[in-house]
Amino acid sequence: EAGVTQSPTHLIKTRGQQATLRCSPISGHTSVYWYQQALGLGLQFLLWYDEGEERNRGNFPPRFSGRQFPNYSSELNVNALELEDSALYLCASSFLLAHNEQFFGPGTRLTVL
Amino acid sequence: SQQGEEDPQALSIQEGENATMNCSYKTSINNLQWYRQNSGRGLVHLILIRSNEREKHSGRLRVTLDTSKKSSSLLITASRAADTASYFCATDRGDYKLSFGAGTTVTVRA
Repeated sequence: EAGVTQSPTHLIKTRGQQATLRCSPISGHTSVYWYQQALGLGLQFLLWYDEGEERNRGNFPPRFSGRQFPNYSSELNVNALELEDSALYLCASSFLLAHNEQFFGPGTRLTVL
Repeated sequence: SQQGEEDPQALSIQEGENATMNCSYKTSINNLQWYRQNSGRGLVHLILIRSNEREKHSGRLRVTLDTSKKSSSLLITASRAADTASYFCATDRGDYKLSFGAGTTVTVRA
């Protein structure tokens, strides 16, 4: 069974640009979560999508947004990039009835110059 | 803010030895999950323990949960070089978002 996949692996942008990150969940999983792992800040919850709806978001500004498509894949958009947005962005998926056991993808390394 | 705190921050052991790391958290939880991360890449799910469980095993891993002390421990027995990684505990308070600790970095020496 294929795991969670993310693309691209690496992304380099400059300040002020927009970044789009993509995630495909494990087949059968309807929930997708996004986390940010920045140096010195640890893993922080960003967004949760389930059945196409945003269910919860972490303490991040509105320029972090996303969506979930009918096939349950998801996109994370970061607008007006700032240097401190440089981080590893991790996507996870779960099947809610399975006690929210979350399975993670390999991540997208975003570097903002 | 982070719910969990792992202890110790770093651990260095000889191959074949056991490694124990602890996680403390602040509020009541639905479940607690342990993950491994190699070299800043994705997280590998190790084990989930529900709030009504006290101990769980998976291969060489043993996890305990003490909800009265709001703490959990992860024991890796007979460690191998491949166990070198960062280990994180994550708590689910029922709001479907995981709160992670800062992690324990484990180095297994050959």
